[in-house]
Amino acid sequence: EVQLVQSGAEVKKPGESLKISCKGSGYSFTSYWIGWVRQMPGKGLEWMGIIYPGDSDTRYSPSFQGQVTISADKSISTAYLQWSSLKASDTAMYYCVRLFDYWGQGTLVTVSS
Amino acid sequence: QTVVTQEPSLTVSPGGTVTLTCASSTGAVTSGYYPNWFQQKPGQAPRALIYSTSNKHSWTPARFSGSLLGGKAALTLSGVQPEDEAEYYCLLYYGGAQLNWVFGGGTKLTVL
Repeated sequence: EVQLVQSGAEVKKPGESLKISCKGSGYSFTSYWIGWVRQMPGKGLEWMGIIYPGDSDTRYSPSFQGQVTISADKSISTAYLQWSSLKASDTAMYYCVRLFDYWGQGTLVTVSS
Repeated sequence: QTVVTQEPSLTVSPGGTVTLTCASSTGAVTSGYYPNWFQQKPGQAPRALIYSTSNKHSWTPARFSGSLLGGKAALTLSGVQPEDEAEYYCLLYYGGAQLNWVFGGGTKLTVL
């Protein structure tokens, strides 16, 4: 059974760093692109970027380029999304998705002073 | 900036048929945009319904179908069920160096 399991909810302060994860199982992790999607409270889905874990080829939506870093560790079948300095406007639910069928359960990130 | 436009809301009666559309600010949507459709219910992660215009996933109910209609991508629900009440999002591929994808703003479907 294909599964993407994301790390748990986070509460952070502005300026702090954060790395959330998405662990794949039940398929060849290195053979499928993984994407990250943001959903701000009460809003729609936004495409952030994608990574191919086989060779770590990474592409970013122009809206998120320079704002986040996407990475993967194929040895543990895990993709990551990280911020170096969080802002209140980063408060959102973040989903990983195997292009384009299976979704993770989401990680809620709350940034508040 | 590329904008993908969906109807903000639609209402359909149980057992009825409804078509949701997905338009691109760059012009007509073709199969080269690899339209995808997703369903999201409150408090849940999105669920994939359709990929590459009209292909269904193994779990997609038969009453859902995808197509191209009048220069837009379309999702048609035939024989709507109460449990189809949800937000529906389309996703289009714009390619380029960033292999860019763009979501539509979503359609809130009410079954009434």
